[in-house]
Amino acid sequence: NAGVTQTPKFRILKIGQSMTLQCAQDMNHNYMYWYRQDPGMGLKLIYYSVGAGITDKGEVPNGYNVSRSTTEDFPLRLELAAPSQTSVYFCASSLRKGATGANVLTFGAGSRLTVL
Amino acid sequence: DQQVKQNSPSLSVQEGRISILNCDYTNSMFDYFLWYKKYPAEGPTFLISISSIKDKNEDGRFTVFLNKSAKHLSLHIVPSQPGDSAVYFCAASVTGANNLFFGTGTRLTVIP
Repeated sequence: NAGVTQTPKFRILKIGQSMTLQCAQDMNHNYMYWYRQDPGMGLKLIYYSVGAGITDKGEVPNGYNVSRSTTEDFPLRLELAAPSQTSVYFCASSLRKGATGANVLTFGAGSRLTVL
Repeated sequence: DQQVKQNSPSLSVQEGRISILNCDYTNSMFDYFLWYKKYPAEGPTFLISISSIKDKNEDGRFTVFLNKSAKHLSLHIVPSQPGDSAVYFCAASVTGANNLFFGTGTRLTVIP
């Protein structure tokens, strides 16, 4: 059981380039998330999805786009990469059956992105 | 604007002793608190959680204590083992919301 799989693990981009970070989960989780972690900071939510076809912005959505065409996949698109997007990106998923209870996320191993 | 704060970036403890990791929060609406553990080059993994209606939750060597009046929680690891060496993140959420707010993490080193 792979859990949450992220690709690529590492990537270097030039300013202005675009790329897509891939995320797939095989746990049939309905919720999926993208977080970024900057050095010395906590994880901050970029976008999330509560199910296929439904996405919403988190705390730091500027410069990113997402789509959720299937339950399994939740790619994160960076358009016109900027040095401020240098970070480690984590995809996560969770199974939520209502609004109550602790929302326990399962994370991928992360994708380290450097924009030069 | 950090709603969840971990003021100790690092902590070193001897093997077999108690490790105490602290976390403070500012938002009184938070009603679930979670601790995650992260090894290098891996994603965070869930460790233990506590609801705001409780003041303690225990799971094996790990116990989380919640002091709502002080907006403070702590994670106790007893006894500490070298394999516990990792970065520990505190996180908090509000029922019905879809975001987990994370602290900046505390790096725990357990010395054999």
